[in-house]
Order: sequence, then C-alpha cells, then structure tokens
Amino acid sequence: DAKTTQPPSMDCAEGRAANLPCNHSTISGNEYVYWYRQIHSQGPQYIIHGLKNNETNEMASLIITEDRKSSTLILPHATLRDTAVYYCIVRVPWTNAGKSTFGDGTTLTVKP
Amino acid sequence: SQTIHQWPATLVQPVGSPLSLECTVEGTSNPNLYWYRQAAGRGLQLLFYSVGIGQISSEVPQNLSASRPQDRQFILSSKKLLLSDSGFYLCGRYAANYGYTFGSGTRLTVV
Repeated sequence: DAKTTQPPSMDCAEGRAANLPCNHSTISGNEYVYWYRQIHSQGPQYIIHGLKNNETNEMASLIITEDRKSSTLILPHATLRDTAVYYCIVRVPWTNAGKSTFGDGTTLTVKP
Repeated sequence: SQTIHQWPATLVQPVGSPLSLECTVEGTSNPNLYWYRQAAGRGLQLLFYSVGIGQISSEVPQNLSASRPQDRQFILSSKKLLLSDSGFYLCGRYAANYGYTFGSGTRLTVV
C-alpha cells in the first residue's frame, strides 16, 4: 500500500468547513483513497472512499486531485462531535489479504 | 450489517501473566480479520491478520500470538505479558466494498 502523509493536528471553528489534507504521491493506479476517523477510545470508523472522482456522502466529501497524488476530506459544517483523529489510507480494495497501514493521522479539534 | 464484538473493554494485568482477548464477528462468513494495537497518541500497528480458519499471518515479531479456531472468532494471546504490551487492541474485519469495520477495542494496561 502507498504511504500517506497528513498534518499532525488542525483546528476548526464550529459550523465552519474542516478541510483535512492527505498526500499520497506514490499511489498506484488501482489504489483507492479511504478516510476513517477515530473518536477517543473507540475503533476507527469508515467515512468515505474514492478512486479518482470526487465523492460525497452524508458524512463528508472527498476531493481527489487530477494526478491523484493528494486528496482532501471536507466536513462541510463541523460540530464539536467531529473532534477526532482522521486517518487517510490508500489501498487496492479487492486485495484478499487486506492489510493497511494506519499512520498517526490528523487530530482535528473543533472549537466553539 | 456486520458487528464485531470484543471483550473485555478494559483489562489490567501483571507482568508475566497470560492474556486472552477474544473477538467475534456477526453478519458475515469467511471474513478477513485483523488485530491492531495502538499506543497512546499514535496510529494503528497491524499485529496479525487471518483470511480463514487456522490461517494466521504475523506482521511484527513479539510475544503475542493469534488463533482463529472458528470462522467468526479471532483470539489474541500471550503466555507472559510485558510492560510494552500495554495499549489499545482493536479487532477489525475488511470488506472490499466499504473497507474496515472495527470493534470497540480493549484497553490493556500491564503493571
């Protein structure tokens, strides 16, 4: 799996959009970008994933650059409950073994 | 929907004592299962993964072991715990269409 780089921490004001970046410059053509978040003392929770097109669901939007070397997770209206560690990973989804590396992620703090 | 059960939620064990953490999965058959460990303030370190009954792959050398006696059961064990085994242990499964699903984790403190 390609390695990802994320800033260690970010702050965001409540009600504003939170934009979390991820660099994955060595991503291969069949690797997808996945985002997870981990609220304190819980297991990581799936947020969204995509290959090359922008994706949106009820939780967030995922913007992937045209060269696929970086992506941004957007939480459109951040709430205090969005305070968590956010992980970006890249992997081939249909690989049987399904191993992935979760780095240190980005700690997002949403402030009132 | 898939549900992953882990227990216990917290555990305090003395150095040198044995360990057994159990993980069971509902709602699916033949899942790919994983044990990850998380040190305080850090990311997840993959310890073991299993693609089927009796099939275990170890990612890092350590004094931990894993077993998969049944399709939906994954066990993490140690014969003698070390202080460095303290951490947050997560059991997860992977599916191609939505990625990883994790249990609620076990916080182990070795004293």
